[in-house]
Amino acid sequence: AQSVTQLDSHVSVSEGTPVLLRCNYSSSYSPSLFWYVQHPNKGLQLLLKYTSAATLVKGINGFEAEFKKSETSFHLTKPSAHMSDAAEYFCVVSDRTGGFKTIFGAGTRLFVKA
Amino acid sequence: DAGVTQSPTHLIKTRGQQVTLRCSPISGHKSVSWYQQVLGQGPQFIFQYYEKEERGRGNFPDRFSARQFPNYSSELNVNALLLGDSALYLCASSSPSPGTGDPMNTEAFFGQGTRLTVV
Repeated sequence: AQSVTQLDSHVSVSEGTPVLLRCNYSSSYSPSLFWYVQHPNKGLQLLLKYTSAATLVKGINGFEAEFKKSETSFHLTKPSAHMSDAAEYFCVVSDRTGGFKTIFGAGTRLFVKA
Repeated sequence: DAGVTQSPTHLIKTRGQQVTLRCSPISGHKSVSWYQQVLGQGPQFIFQYYEKEERGRGNFPDRFSARQFPNYSSELNVNALLLGDSALYLCASSSPSPGTGDPMNTEAFFGQGTRLTVV
């Protein structure tokens, strides 16, 4: 069965320092993996996606993620945090096992300190 | 271009009642998905429709049903409402990958959601 585990419910960084949001997944099929961001009172927005092409995926706003099949991980990183990055981040897996399914992780709240 | 639109934005219902939520996808998008997001949690997948057929279903009781119309808009119906059905209901639309026709590997565009409160 598919599952997504976001290893940290909250992450706090200082502005200008690196960001690491961790995600592990389980899927019995070749999955598609995504990161979405949800700012307060705003809709979900795609940051980046992995669909079996390059394992290092670059997204919007300087974010990137690396797909590591051996570790079943898809961690999200950014070299330098900005105040505007403060939001809820969701790791997502989609596959076709037993029909189309899209599974969201529980989310990681990112706090950015000045 | 208009994004994904959902109606109504807010709704209050009584336990045992039935509710219908509506979603209009982005023009040209043929796939619509529904999610339930309880406060403080990630969205939970309910249904995916593609070309007016149900292609995926999450772990929700039969009280939840949906359909997609010829114009690709969609409705989510919930019968016999429970207090636990109170949540933000999100609709997302997507367009299949060029060449593969696969709606699973493409970006989903989310609406602002319908906030359902069951009292």
